[in-house]
Amino acid sequence: QKEVEQDPGPLSVPEGAIVSLNCTYSNSAFQYFMWYRQYSRKGPELLMYTYSSGNKEDGRFTAQVDKSSKYISLFIRDSQPSDSATYLCAMEIGSARQLTFGSGTQLTVLP
Amino acid sequence: KAGVTQTPRYLIKTRGQQVTLSCSPISGHRSVSWYQQTPGQGLQFLFEYFSETQRNKGNFPGRFSGRQFSNSRSEMNVSTLELGDSALYLCASTGTGGSWGAFFGQGTRLTVV
Repeated sequence: QKEVEQDPGPLSVPEGAIVSLNCTYSNSAFQYFMWYRQYSRKGPELLMYTYSSGNKEDGRFTAQVDKSSKYISLFIRDSQPSDSATYLCAMEIGSARQLTFGSGTQLTVLP
Repeated sequence: KAGVTQTPRYLIKTRGQQVTLSCSPISGHRSVSWYQQTPGQGLQFLFEYFSETQRNKGNFPGRFSGRQFSNSRSEMNVSTLELGDSALYLCASTGTGGSWGAFFGQGTRLTVV
């Protein structure tokens, strides 16, 4: 069993929809939780990171962490075609600079 | 501020050969981490260098090695290439703190034939 499990998708939604992306993890030592967006032929780009349980909002994006359930989510409001990409969750123990990634969810937002 | 530069962008090698990939981090960043991305295994951590020292290593065979120079530029080497080494190799440059401050390069696409 992988340390980080992510809904594989692919996910296709109409423009303006609310998107929910999720990951579960098994290693309770993970302390930092990140969401990356990766466009085709590009490197991952950090969208959000959180440390504690709860919600963190940045514009149209909300990251949610539930450490008791070992479950994290990313919500995208008012989704746009430009949000079409692969979304990766990632986790880290302390500041080890050693990320453990989920497998990624491919999202397509249809105009 | 220049981003993370990886060279070359694309590479085709024959099984059994060796290859060297290069990563120039953002100016002032002293940490470079390397990752392998494949459709089957996703993104997996290879190793991390800080001030010319390898601090962490992932679960990869000894054919995968790396080094970092005094100017923080890093190289990774794969010897005796196998077909399964075909992947996108990404490096991440970090200043202070953990990976929440990391910036990824665009990667080197390695194809082994």
